[in-house]
Amino acid sequence: GAVVSQHPSWVICKSGTSVKIECRSLDFQATTMFWYRQFPKQSLMLMATSNEGSKATYEQGVEKDKFLINHASLTLSTLTVTSAHPEDSSFYICITTNANTGELFFGEGSRLTVL
Amino acid sequence: QKEVEQNSGPLSVPEGAIASLNCTYSDRGSQSFFWYRQYSGKSPELIMFIYSNGDKEDGRFTAQLNKASQYVSLLIRDSQPSDSATYLCAVTIAGRRALTFGSGTRLQVQP
Repeated sequence: GAVVSQHPSWVICKSGTSVKIECRSLDFQATTMFWYRQFPKQSLMLMATSNEGSKATYEQGVEKDKFLINHASLTLSTLTVTSAHPEDSSFYICITTNANTGELFFGEGSRLTVL
Repeated sequence: QKEVEQNSGPLSVPEGAIASLNCTYSDRGSQSFFWYRQYSGKSPELIMFIYSNGDKEDGRFTAQLNKASQYVSLLIRDSQPSDSATYLCAVTIAGRRALTFGSGTRLQVQP
């Protein structure tokens, strides 16, 4: 079964609303989680790196006030898309690392559609 | 120049043939190289990783790495229609823990 649970798998929302995506590691401690987004027919682009108990590190061009990341525990990181707009419609994926082994695990992805 | 480049395809091969997927990277400090398969609407799944120059085989899959040429490839032998997907090349660059992905090559295996 999945070792990383990502929810919701898909969400449709109205423009201007906020959407929260959760990424939870089920069997291990994930001190680091990476948040990516993927537009259609494009690559996965790193948005930010979150470390448990500290502020996330955002990639250039990613607005930290729009994409809020919280990593308050060793098993849960959340990405909140605030005041979503149609251009935020994308496939969001979290990738976590097992703190003990360094192995990477992918979440199942969340398809966001903003109307 | 993109950090990781792949031909977008589609690459079309007949069932049973060998599919050859290529990837080049720009950072000579790249250390680890991964191939992922991604079906439409799904998260990528790991096929293979390779760290050292040369070939690494796993079943029908062979990864080839040439650090001097900054080139990594994936060969799929006896291609099956179920192999039809987008194949993503990813690397870890020195000093960064996150993966850097190519844009992917779409493979179509014709029955």
